[in-house]
Amino acid sequence: DSGVTQTPKHLITATGQRVTLRCSPRSGDLSVYWYQQSLDQGLQFLIQYYNGEERAKGNILERFSAQQFPDLHSELNLSSLELGDSALYFCASSVELLNGELFFGEGSRLTVL
Amino acid sequence: AQSVTQPDIHITVSEGASLELRCNYSYGATPYLFWYVQSPGQGLQLLLKYFSGDTLVQGIKGFEAEFKRSQSSFNLRKPSVHWSDAAEYFCAVGPYSGGGADGLTFGKGTHLIIQP
Repeated sequence: DSGVTQTPKHLITATGQRVTLRCSPRSGDLSVYWYQQSLDQGLQFLIQYYNGEERAKGNILERFSAQQFPDLHSELNLSSLELGDSALYFCASSVELLNGELFFGEGSRLTVL
Repeated sequence: AQSVTQPDIHITVSEGASLELRCNYSYGATPYLFWYVQSPGQGLQLLLKYFSGDTLVQGIKGFEAEFKRSQSSFNLRKPSVHWSDAAEYFCAVGPYSGGGADGLTFGKGTHLIIQP
């Protein structure tokens, strides 16, 4: 158990819909990262937050957004969903900046029909 | 831009045999290097990491990896594999250099199959 909690574990929805994925980082970790894992693209870095502020963006679509709340949990919002958004979405956390050692949740599997 | 290449998509090894998984990276500075393992239906678990110092690093579950700067490689090894080692293995480099973030860039993974 990494200490990172993600909900829901599985989600099935239709094209055009909007979903929210939730992540609770390990106790004491200030950084939260979101990754998308798909068969063709592998693990792609989406976005990072540190102590409530956006720190960096990776390959995140404009239809996607995220935020980190004062209690440090984070949410990833995916809107206008397309078939190609079907993937496993991982949240990871780390204790400090420039540490690089990430602790991953078990992921949220999104299926868009 | 930084990148990680894992040349082997699949590797099959007999139980009890030795293992080496290859990883090559491209990075503009001294990298942090990691190996993660992902079992089916699970998140990624850190096996080992290299930040600096001794180029041979030991990890959990009997794994080790060697950093070779001249070859831009960070290969993972295990002297004797167990059936429970069957999983997906990811090499990663960081900090992520895009926009000053400190996330990781991952390779596409190597799927390890253990033959009885």
